[in-house]
Amino acid sequence: AIRMTQSPSSLSASTGDRVTITCRASQGISSYLAWYQQKPGKAPKLLIYAASTLQSGVPSRFSGSGSGTDFTLTISCLQSEDFATYYCQQYYSYPPTFGQGTKVEIK
Amino acid sequence: QITLKESGPTLVKPTQTLTLTCTFSGFSLSTSGVGVGWIRQPPGKALEWLALIYWDDDKRYSPSLKSRLTITKDTSKNQVVLTMTNMDPVDTATYYCAHGTVQGSSGYYYYSYWGQGTLVTVSS
Repeated sequence: AIRMTQSPSSLSASTGDRVTITCRASQGISSYLAWYQQKPGKAPKLLIYAASTLQSGVPSRFSGSGSGTDFTLTISCLQSEDFATYYCQQYYSYPPTFGQGTKVEIK
Repeated sequence: QITLKESGPTLVKPTQTLTLTCTFSGFSLSTSGVGVGWIRQPPGKALEWLALIYWDDDKRYSPSLKSRLTITKDTSKNQVVLTMTNMDPVDTATYYCAHGTVQGSSGYYYYSYWGQGTLVTVSS
């Protein structure tokens, strides 16, 4: 199975900060990568698919980039509602695999 | 508007079989390109993909759990059922079903819509 490694595992940031999360695949996955946001006690919410395509209704402060093995999720101006855990997921090959998550906490 | 909801027991004993039902609305599992998957999340841990069933009844399973999993669909009822045999305390998790969305004509699926999840505890 393809291993997805996120960094950092957690970070502290303030409202208004620019935040970047990295996801690395153990082998090339082209652009078949999704990002999800999960808040405590809630289901994951799709933010980005195809590495850089914003899901309908997701604020434009979220953006994704990368292809092959290295990907990033950027939140350009962190809002209070963005404090959550973020997961990347590859869907290039079975089984689909997720990163271990990055928890974004209030500084 | 696409919605999904999981149902099933909240507590099962070790060695028992778990049966979970995903009831959905807003789409049909007989429509070409549509899939419904199951993903689980142990408390405080990351997400783990389990299985996916396609509109044409093709199925995919996690290799590590394949011997224990069965996924089926009832198109007329808009339901997908996941069974997992020989449950163990390590299978304690929140189980989610999700709408599998194909990326263009690639045949590759991500998950656009998720159910609220159901917590299953395995304990004697």
